[in-house]
Amino acid sequence: DAGVTQSPTHLIKTRGQHVTLRCSPISGHKSVSWYQQVLGQGPQFIFQYYEKEERGRGNFPDRFSARQFPNYSSELNVNALLLGDSALYLCASSLWWGTNEKLFFGSGTQLSVL
Amino acid sequence: SQQGEEDPQALSIQEGENATMNCSYKTSINNLQWYRQNSGRGLVHLILIRSNEREKHSGRLRVTLDTSKKSSSLLITASRAADTASYFCATSTQGGSEKLVFGKGTKLTVNP
Repeated sequence: DAGVTQSPTHLIKTRGQHVTLRCSPISGHKSVSWYQQVLGQGPQFIFQYYEKEERGRGNFPDRFSARQFPNYSSELNVNALLLGDSALYLCASSLWWGTNEKLFFGSGTQLSVL
Repeated sequence: SQQGEEDPQALSIQEGENATMNCSYKTSINNLQWYRQNSGRGLVHLILIRSNEREKHSGRLRVTLDTSKKSSSLLITASRAADTASYFCATSTQGGSEKLVFGKGTKLTVNP
């Protein structure tokens, strides 16, 4: 079975632009979470979605939004990009919501904002 | 904000030696997990220990949890060059929060 897949793997944008990152969870997994990892730091929680509903939101500005589709794939959108948004964006999937059990991570999207 | 703090930030050992990494956290937890990350890419789950457990083993990994000290340790025995990676602890807090809170990580280098 395929693992968590994310696209694109790398992305270069300029300040003020908009970006959409995509994630396909492991087949059968209904929960998708997004994390931001700045170089040299641990991942920081952005969003969690389960059954197409937002179940958790981290301390990120409203420029960050996400959604989950009926097939459980997910998109993370970031508007009005800032230099500080440069980071590795990680998607993780799990079977359920509310257990915080083992998360399965994708390889991430490396976003560079110039 | 980061809940956990790993110690040391970096660790360099020879193949065959044991590696010990520590994690401290601030608030009450539901469980604590350890993840490995190679070359800044995706994280791989290693082991989970619940708040009512004190020690857990998985292959060459041994994790301990001391909730009174709000700390955990990860021991990798008989290390291999392939264990070279960054290791993160992540806590799941009580009270219905569904997010994992990660520390800053320990960068482990195992020299052949």
